[in-house]
Amino acid sequence: EPEVTQTPSHQVTQMGQEVILRCVPISNHLYFYWYRQILGQKVEFLVSFYNNEISEKSEIFDDQFSVERPDGSNFTLKIRSTKLEDSAMYFCASSGLGLNEQFFGPGTRLTVL
Amino acid sequence: AQKITQTQPGMFVQEKEAVTLDCTYDTSDPSYGLFWYKQPSSGEMIFLIYQGSYDQQNATEGRYSLNFQKARKSANLVISASQLGDSAMYFCAMSWGGSNYKLTFGKGTLLTVNP
Repeated sequence: EPEVTQTPSHQVTQMGQEVILRCVPISNHLYFYWYRQILGQKVEFLVSFYNNEISEKSEIFDDQFSVERPDGSNFTLKIRSTKLEDSAMYFCASSGLGLNEQFFGPGTRLTVL
Repeated sequence: AQKITQTQPGMFVQEKEAVTLDCTYDTSDPSYGLFWYKQPSSGEMIFLIYQGSYDQQNATEGRYSLNFQKARKSANLVISASQLGDSAMYFCAMSWGGSNYKLTFGKGTLLTVNP
């Protein structure tokens, strides 16, 4: 069964460093998303990506965040200068054309020290 | 604005019994989808069940069923014959056509299944 994959599973970084979180969505999906979940809280939408551009972003997705689909299979989230409050689980998800499917990857747990 | 409300921060159920997890939603969009995800302590988000706003019948997937009451804007998850492995956080979520299908999540309900 096709699945969304994410690497790494856990990333530890120093405050101010850049991190890149990687995702491989399901191959025939068209919409790609990043969500984050701060420990003990609900899942929050960050950004959606369709047709090689951002289709929507939340207030959380400020200038320190960027997304890219560099090679037609990977989908990356870059955080330019990490802050302590960026510590969270980051989930990638993908969806086909329709409301009834959105599959999540296993998540990357980011710890900023 | 679209909103998902889960009013039960925690629920307890005895093994083999059924349990209902509540979810209400608010949207003015006539086309929307309702999802339930399970998040065990390991952290991954596991898709359980989906209900479309135009679906005439309540969705079912094995031991999971969704009690969809459109007029009341509720989409409760029913887990039958609870198992110890059902202990997890459960999130209700909604997407809608005008949102690029992004999901808006509730705060979740922590289900504990007692032996």
